[in-house]
Amino acid sequence: DTEVTQTPKHLVMGMTNKKSLKCEQHMGHRAMYWYKQKAKKPPELMFVYSYEKLSINESVPSRFSPECPNSSLLNLHLHALQPEDSALYLCASSPPGRSIYGYTFGSGTRLTVV
Amino acid sequence: GQQLNQSPQSMFIQEGEDVSMNCTSSSIFNTWLWYKQDPGEGPVLLIALYKAGELTSNGRLTAQFGITRKDSFLNISASIPSDVGIYFCGNAGNMLTFGGGTRLMVKP
Repeated sequence: DTEVTQTPKHLVMGMTNKKSLKCEQHMGHRAMYWYKQKAKKPPELMFVYSYEKLSINESVPSRFSPECPNSSLLNLHLHALQPEDSALYLCASSPPGRSIYGYTFGSGTRLTVV
Repeated sequence: GQQLNQSPQSMFIQEGEDVSMNCTSSSIFNTWLWYKQDPGEGPVLLIALYKAGELTSNGRLTAQFGITRKDSFLNISASIPSDVGIYFCGNAGNMLTFGGGTRLMVKP
């Protein structure tokens, strides 16, 4: 299995809602990442998990809360988002410390905040 | 932080034409990665380069790691409609960061 699976593919939420994005991989990768991509822009790193521990938080607002319950799963909990948080959220994985071989990305969750 | 400058930002070409895009950096890199992103999908790795001067091909795609280690280019020969998408260069240091992207449009 060489895929990263993200659910849901599309999500519309209100500013007072709480929702979660899910990411799963079965490649044995012990590093997982959340990226945010706005229209016509490159993906921007949000969080890095290595061996299920948060290793990098790129100054992301606390309304985004990541969680890595096990080596195959990565969640992103969303609460009190703003319309400007609407974007494509991408999950990726790689062997830790082996980013030179590239990351495997999921297809993303298209999030719209209304 | 490091900056990756990718050009051109967009290209609109005729099917069958060759395409060239490049990426430059303010820092020396040890690795260059080239990704393609189709609409509604995540980026997919096309080519990885690990050594200055290295020239690597993947089908109709050819990429080179610049001798100065501060630049790389990607060529696509004989473009076809399915080449449409956004091409990103990337650096893999502690984490993967992307250039601004080149949006390729192909006219049949």
